[in-house]
Amino acid sequence: DIVVTQSPDSLAVSLGERATINCKSSQSVLYSSDNKNYFAWYQQKPGQSPKLLIYWASTRESGVPDRFSGSGSGTDFTLTISSLQAEDVAVYYCQQYYSTPFTFGPGTKVDIK
Amino acid sequence: EVQLVESGGGLVQPGGSLRLSCAASGFTFSSHAMSWVRQAPGKGLEWVSVIRGSGDYTYYTNSVKGRFTISRDNSKSTLYLQMNTLRAEDTAVYYCAKNNDNSSYSASDSWGQGTLVTVSS
Repeated sequence: DIVVTQSPDSLAVSLGERATINCKSSQSVLYSSDNKNYFAWYQQKPGQSPKLLIYWASTRESGVPDRFSGSGSGTDFTLTISSLQAEDVAVYYCQQYYSTPFTFGPGTKVDIK
Repeated sequence: EVQLVESGGGLVQPGGSLRLSCAASGFTFSSHAMSWVRQAPGKGLEWVSVIRGSGDYTYYTNSVKGRFTISRDNSKSTLYLQMNTLRAEDTAVYYCAKNNDNSSYSASDSWGQGTLVTVSS
């Protein structure tokens, strides 16, 4: 099974500042046949269901604010919130869907400093 | 608007069975893979299973193989999860999710509100 790790476990960022979350998979999730990274980012606000933010590692889901961006390839990925807003307080999860079981990272809790 | 409504959760004794349902609307159900993802109380997300749009391919996480069965009825736009031989560690909120492609190897772009399964004597 592919193991996905996240760092940090939590972070507190001032409003308007940048937040960066990192994920690492235990093996590459880049599929050579289509040159796509099978990697996604989700946001889960307190008491709510998860919401897809980014797929194919860097493609923003429709309706997601452009302050959210995803980058990386192979085994190392980053979610960046360029200017943190109050409504971004949530737990963020990464997931690989390259190989079953499609494992999630343990989550990163983002708060306002 | 995509809507996913889960039902069928509840309290069950260890070793018991439950069948979860997920009624879908607002999209062409048969054209999308569908997933189940669970979340134990206070814990992170755990992927459980996925089924392709036609229902011909299914995949499971290791801990539920042989106990859980995912299926779908495209004529009713409904996804199911039959859960047998339930264990305490299966206690979780179970989310139904629509994938953004017919392929099982895709991300989940819409999620239901979840249904709570509690396994306890």
